[in-house]
Amino acid sequence: DAGVIQSPRHEVTEMGQEVTLRCKPISGHDYLFWYRQTMMRGLELLIYFNNNVPIDDSGMPEDRFSAKMPNASFSTLKIQPSEPRDSAVYFCASSSTGRDTEAFFGQGTRLTVV
Amino acid sequence: GQQLNQSPQSMFIQEGEDVSMNCTSSSIFNTWLWYKQDPGEGPVLLIALYKAGELTSNGRLTAQFGITRKDSFLNISASIPSDVGIYFCAGQRSNDYKLSFGAGTTVTVRA
Repeated sequence: DAGVIQSPRHEVTEMGQEVTLRCKPISGHDYLFWYRQTMMRGLELLIYFNNNVPIDDSGMPEDRFSAKMPNASFSTLKIQPSEPRDSAVYFCASSSTGRDTEAFFGQGTRLTVV
Repeated sequence: GQQLNQSPQSMFIQEGEDVSMNCTSSSIFNTWLWYKQDPGEGPVLLIALYKAGELTSNGRLTAQFGITRKDSFLNISASIPSDVGIYFCAGQRSNDYKLSFGAGTTVTVRA
């Protein structure tokens, strides 16, 4: 299995622009998580899906952030408009229902908003 | 998610030494996980613990799920240079699948 795949690996954008981050979870996993990592706040859960349905979005910072999961193999995290304080590494992770529920992470997208 | 209290925050160790780190929480978790993150990469799962009191090994790594279900520790024996990185603990409850992470322990090994 290729693992969780995220794209792009790096994104540099100007303040005010729309940014879309993409994730392909591990095949067969029914949970998908979006995390943000910063030096100040560590790893924060933004939102997670179960069977393509958003379950908890309480970690989404504000209305500028939105996430979708149109099917079991694809999810997006969108920031519109982006701001410099959104600069961080964004991780996608997936897991499956059952005994072994550990989450597997992608390599992340390093976002820089200038 | 709720932050776990992970310590130490960082450590400098001599190659060959053993390393210990731990996590505590004010609430109960049903699963404890330990991850390692290398620079520029995502966290990689090292050990998963599913039962209170469970002691699990993975090569030079040993982790235990505390009896109270509010703590866990990770030991690395005979450290080597490639053990450098940030180690995270994570807890998971049975009623949802999201993970709460500790702040991480940064390990630096002196050759």
